Amino acid sequence: DGGITQSPKYLFRKEGQNVTLSCEQNLNHDAMYWYRQDPGQGLRLIYYSQIVNDFQKGDIAEGYSVSREKKESFPLTVTSAQKNPTAFYLCASSIGGGEANEQFFGPGTRLTVL
Amino acid sequence: GQQLNQSPQSMFIQEGEDVSMNCTSSSIFNTWLWYKQDPGEGPVLLIALYKAGELTSNGRLTAQFGITRKDSFLNISASIPSDVGIYFCAGRRRANAGNNRKLIWGLGTSLAVNP
Repeated sequence: DGGITQSPKYLFRKEGQNVTLSCEQNLNHDAMYWYRQDPGQGLRLIYYSQIVNDFQKGDIAEGYSVSREKKESFPLTVTSAQKNPTAFYLCASSIGGGEANEQFFGPGTRLTVL
Repeated sequence: GQQLNQSPQSMFIQEGEDVSMNCTSSSIFNTWLWYKQDPGEGPVLLIALYKAGELTSNGRLTAQFGITRKDSFLNISASIPSDVGIYFCAGRRRANAGNNRKLIWGLGTSLAVNP
C-alpha cells in the first residue's frame, strides 16, 4: 500500500536529550513537511523540503533540525534546544510545490518530554 | 505565521442534522483544502478546491470555493456519529504572493454528534 509512515507512535524522552522522529513515504512525492500540533491548536509548520538535499525553515524551526538525503525519507530531530517539545508531530508529503499542493499526512508521533 | 479564520470553533449537534463551517482570509487564495482529523491520528484530505465558485461534493460533504477567493465553506448533510472529529481548512495564496508554496491553516472546527 502507498502511504506515509511515522514511527514510533509514542515517544518519551528525558529533558536535555535529542530525539529523532522518522517519516517515510512511498508515494514518490517530491515535497515533504513536518508540522507540530498542540492541544486545541492548528498545525504549525516546522520544516519543509521540496526536493532531495534541500529544505527550508517553516514558522517554528528553532530547536529542530531535518535532513533530506533520500526522496522517501525526511527525519526530524528535536534537539535539547527546543524549549517546549511535548507535542503531536505530523509528517506530510505532496507531489510537489506547484498548483497541486494537496498534502497527505502520516499517523503522527506523540512526543512527551519527562 | 498567518492563519485562516475558521468558524465556528466547535459544534455540538444531533445525529441527522446538517452542519456548516467556513474559513475566511484577508488574502486571495488559489487553493482551498478541507481535512478531517480523528483523535490521535493525522488529518485526512476530504475535498480540494482550485477554482473560484467551484462546488465539490464527496458523499455527504460539500465544499465551495468562495467567489471572492477569500473564503471557503464546508457542509455536512445528515450527520452521523462517525463525523465526529476536528475539521481543518487550509489554503494556498495565489502565485507570487510570497511563500506561496506553504499551506496556511485554520485552527479547526471541533464537531461532536449526539446519537
